Amino acid sequence: AQTVTQSQPEMSVQEAETVTLSCTYDTSENNYYLFWYKQPPSRQMILVIRQEAYKQQNATENRFSVNFQKAAKSFSLKISDSQLGDTAMYFCAFIDSGNTPLVFGKGTRLSVIA
Amino acid sequence: DAGITQSPRYKITETGRQVTLMCHQTWSHSYMFWYRQDLGHGLRLIYYSAAADITDKGEVPDGYVVSRSKTENFPLTLESATRSQTSVYFCASRRGTSGGAGETQYFGPGTRLLVL
Repeated sequence: AQTVTQSQPEMSVQEAETVTLSCTYDTSENNYYLFWYKQPPSRQMILVIRQEAYKQQNATENRFSVNFQKAAKSFSLKISDSQLGDTAMYFCAFIDSGNTPLVFGKGTRLSVIA
Repeated sequence: DAGITQSPRYKITETGRQVTLMCHQTWSHSYMFWYRQDLGHGLRLIYYSAAADITDKGEVPDGYVVSRSKTENFPLTLESATRSQTSVYFCASRRGTSGGAGETQYFGPGTRLLVL
C-alpha cells in the first residue's frame, strides 16, 4: 500500500522569507501523481500544486514550487516570499495511475509570522 | 457553478443516534469520497464511490454506511453514533475519466460533527 509521510508537524517562517515543507512517499508504481493541498483556518481544502511522476521538470505555480526527486521518493514544497495568507495546514497527497483514492500525509501546520 | 456542498455544516448528536451527512456535487463527477479529519491523523478515507451504485471501503469504514443512487449525491450515515466519530467530515469529488488519476480532486467545506 502506498504511504505518504510528512515529517514536520509544525513549521514557522517569517513573512517574505522562503520555507520548504518535506514529503516522502512509498510506492512500487512507476506512474503516479503527487499533490500539495492547503487548508487555511476556514478548513477549505485548496489544491496548491500538482506533479506528474513522468515529468522530470519540477512544477511551479507562482510563489509555490516543488522539488521532485523520484529516485528518493521525495516531493518537497517550497514557498517563496511567504505571506500571512500562507498560514495553513499543508497536506501532501499521492495517487497512482489508476482511479484510486488520494492518499494523504498527516499534514504540516505552517505559521507565517509578521 | 455551485460545486460541491455539504449539509449540515455543524451537527451535535448523542451516542446511539443515527446521523446522515449529505454531499452534493453539480459537476457530474464519477468519483466521490468521504474523509474524516482528526488531529494527528490527517485525512482518512472512509468510503468512496466510482459511479452510481458502486461503493467501496476506505481505511476507516467501520460504523459508517454509504449509498449512491444518483451520481450527484453521496450521503454518509452513522448508524449508531459513537464519541469516537466526533470529527470533521469532508466530501470530495473527481471527474474520474480514463487516465484521469491526475485530475484535481475537489473538496466540500466540511461538516463538523460532535457526538456527546
